[in-house]
Amino acid sequence: KNEVEQSPQNLTAQEGEFITINCSYSVGISALHWLQQHPGGGIVSLFMLSSGKKKHGRLIATINIQEKHSSLHITASHPRDSAVYICAVRVTTSGSRLTFGEGTQLTVNP
Amino acid sequence: NAGVTQTPKFRVLKTGQSMTLLCAQDMNHEYMYWYRQDPGMGLRLIHYSVGEGTTAKGEVPDGYNVSRLKKQNFLLGLESAAPSQTSVYFCASSIGVLNIQYFGAGTRLSVL
Repeated sequence: KNEVEQSPQNLTAQEGEFITINCSYSVGISALHWLQQHPGGGIVSLFMLSSGKKKHGRLIATINIQEKHSSLHITASHPRDSAVYICAVRVTTSGSRLTFGEGTQLTVNP
Repeated sequence: NAGVTQTPKFRVLKTGQSMTLLCAQDMNHEYMYWYRQDPGMGLRLIHYSVGEGTTAKGEVPDGYNVSRLKKQNFLLGLESAAPSQTSVYFCASSIGVLNIQYFGAGTRLSVL
């Protein structure tokens, strides 16, 4: 079983919908990252969080340390949000390493 | 600032050939990383460096070597390419181990 599991693997939404992507992990972590991979392949870090909630524009990331679960929410989704969203965790015993989920492919249709 | 720059963007090799991928960052970051991305799998760490002159093995280091002679550059070498090394390779850098990582645009490598 992977240490980081994302759901769903694929998600299709209509423009304007509220979107939730989930990330569950099975190990102790010091931080969790959310990244976005554009259709062209480039990867951008969206959030790094170790507790609570962070917001940037229409994106909101939350983490529940006790439940070992994080969610990425997108409000008022837009076709330009179409991308792969990747969850990654810094395992407490792994030093500098991040362990990545397989990603969630999001498609937002106009 | 260019951020993190990878060269080349694409490359096709024959089995047994060698090549070097170059990663350059202009953000004065201490930490640099090489990852590979394969279908159906998350990014996997090949090697990383915590500062100039240092390197360390990641999750999948076999078949690769790295060097960090200058702080801004991190080189990934394939001495004898194998079809299993067909992948997309990403370089990343960060100020410190607890900071976000900035990624390059990736190198798509095919080994025939």
